[in-house]
Parts: sequence; structure tokens; C-alpha cells
Amino acid sequence: AQKVTQAQTEISVVEKEDVTLDCVYETRDTTYYLFWYKQPPSGELVFLIRRNSFDEQNEISGRYSWNFQKSTSSFNFTITASQVVDSAVYFCALSFYGGSQGNLIFGKGTKLSVKP
Amino acid sequence: GAGVSQSPSNKVTEKGKDVELRCDPISGHTALYWYRQSLGQGLEFLIYFQGNSAPDKSGLPSDRFSAERTGGSVSTLTIQRTQQEDSAVYLCASSLSGTTGKETQYFGPGTRLLVL
Repeated sequence: AQKVTQAQTEISVVEKEDVTLDCVYETRDTTYYLFWYKQPPSGELVFLIRRNSFDEQNEISGRYSWNFQKSTSSFNFTITASQVVDSAVYFCALSFYGGSQGNLIFGKGTKLSVKP
Repeated sequence: GAGVSQSPSNKVTEKGKDVELRCDPISGHTALYWYRQSLGQGLEFLIYFQGNSAPDKSGLPSDRFSAERTGGSVSTLTIQRTQQEDSAVYLCASSLSGTTGKETQYFGPGTRLLVL
């Protein structure tokens, strides 16, 4: 079965704190893809990153970084020096080659509140 | 370029009425997806279109739900005899292709449906 678990329902931090959002996935496929999306209060899902199962390199983009570890089936997302504008719901998602033609399987999301 | 657009933004209807939701994908994207986002269920896949192939309807919750895509572009999601449990945000996404699972899906702003 394919599944994505985001155990943290809500996180609240104070501006400038670092915060890590956890994502654990389950799949039997060897080729799969992992995504993070951000959903600000306006509601539109914004793509942040895609990672394929053969690329375990961590990635950094500005204040955002992602840690992909196949050994623990995790794809965690860290925001460094958080800002109020980072307040949103963050979704981790999984898709896999050839299965259900690529529809995304989403976690339940983590609501991040960054307070000034 | 223009992103995915959806209309209407909000729809209030009475139980038992039919509703149509529209999605206009990014130009050149051959794959189109419908998802539903509700408080209790998170983000759920509904239906997927890829080019001129038969759609993958595996996520539709009942036969009251149907969708079509005309000319490989605009899609309409129809809900017949609406029920209160249909109240949710309906999200449309498109991608360049959908056949491998690796393509990034770009989401529209959604249609918020309220069934009274």
C-alpha cells in the first residue's frame, strides 16, 4: 500500500526559530517521487520540491532544505530562521511510476504557525 | 505564463441540486487531475485525464460524480443531486504529462463548494 504520514498536525514557532516538518512514506515500488507543497491561507497549493527515489542528495534552497533518507523512508523539510510568511499548511506527497497514472498521495498536512 | 484556473471560486447550492465546476489547465499540459480537500479526509484524488486516453475514475466517490474533458483542455466536474457531505474544496491540477508519475502537478486555486 502507498501511504504518506505527517505525524505533526500543528506546529507553532516564534519567528527566526528553525523548524522541521516530518514526512514518512510507505511504498513497495523502487521508482517513486516525493513532493512538498505549501498551502498558504489563500488556499492555493504551491509546489516546493520534487525528489525521485534514486536521488538521495539533500537539497537546499534559500532557507528551505530537504533531507531524504531511504533507509528510514523519510523526506523531512526544514525551514531555517522561520518567518511569519512561512505560516501555512505543508503537504508531503508521493507518486510512483506507472501506478494510478501518477496521481499524488498526500499526507494529512502539517499546519505551521510562525508568530512574530 | 497563466496558471491553472478554476471557476467559480465559491459555490453555494441546495441539497439535491446539480453543480458544475470548471478547470482550465496550463496551456500545453496533457494531464489533468481533480482532487477534493475536506476537513475530515484531507486531499483525495478523484479523477485523472491523460491526453485522449480513457480517464482514470478510480477516485470518484459515487456515481453522482462525473467529469469530462473537452478537446484535451478544459475540464468540467459535475456533481449530481448534491449532498451535504459533498461540501469541500475541489482542486484541479495539471502537468505536462502523467504517464510516469514524475511530472510536477500545478494546482489551481480551487472551488469551495457548500451544500446547504
